[in-house]
Amino acid sequence: NAGVTQTPKFRILKIGQSMTLQCTQDMNHNYMYWYRQDPGMGLKLIYYSVGAGITDKGEVPNGYNVSRSTTEDFPLRLELAAPSQTSVYFCASSYGTSKQTQYFGPGTRLLVL
Amino acid sequence: GESVGLHLPTLSVQEGDNSIINCAYSNSASDYFIWYKQESGKGPQFIIDIRSNMDKRQGQRVTVLLNKTVKHLSLQIAATQPGDSAVYFCAENTSYGKLTFGQGTILTVHP
Repeated sequence: NAGVTQTPKFRILKIGQSMTLQCTQDMNHNYMYWYRQDPGMGLKLIYYSVGAGITDKGEVPNGYNVSRSTTEDFPLRLELAAPSQTSVYFCASSYGTSKQTQYFGPGTRLLVL
Repeated sequence: GESVGLHLPTLSVQEGDNSIINCAYSNSASDYFIWYKQESGKGPQFIIDIRSNMDKRQGQRVTVLLNKTVKHLSLQIAATQPGDSAVYFCAENTSYGKLTFGQGTILTVHP
């Protein structure tokens, strides 16, 4: 099992550009999550999904969109990138039972200039 | 709002010593807690978890203690090694399927 994979590893965007961060898991997890981590800080939840076709907002959803067409994939879309979106983005997944251990991908480092 | 925080942002220890990392939480309804380790340039890695109906849980070289009376969580690492150097986060289950993470503690182990 590869676990949770993310692409790209690093990206530089200009202000106003758009991009999609890819996330795939091969553990057949129902729940998937997107977090951002600013320097020296903990993780903040952007969006999450409890299954294919179902998504919901987290703590900091503004400026982002998600979709969940399959169990395996949970892409995060940035529209009109802003410097405030410079961060490291982590995707995670879990079984979605009462034990909520989340397994994380390696992260995507995004720089908006 | 409810939050999870850490008492100490940094901790330096000598190799072989025991390390204790603390975490305070404020949501009395949280029923599940996790400790994660994050090495530089990597995603958080699960270390150990504990449910609210337990006070203590042990893993390999790690022990998590939960004190619900004072809403305090701690991670003990026995015989700390240089490979343990990382940022450690506690997280609490605030609602079904969602975790709230603390700021993190930087653990540095000196040879």
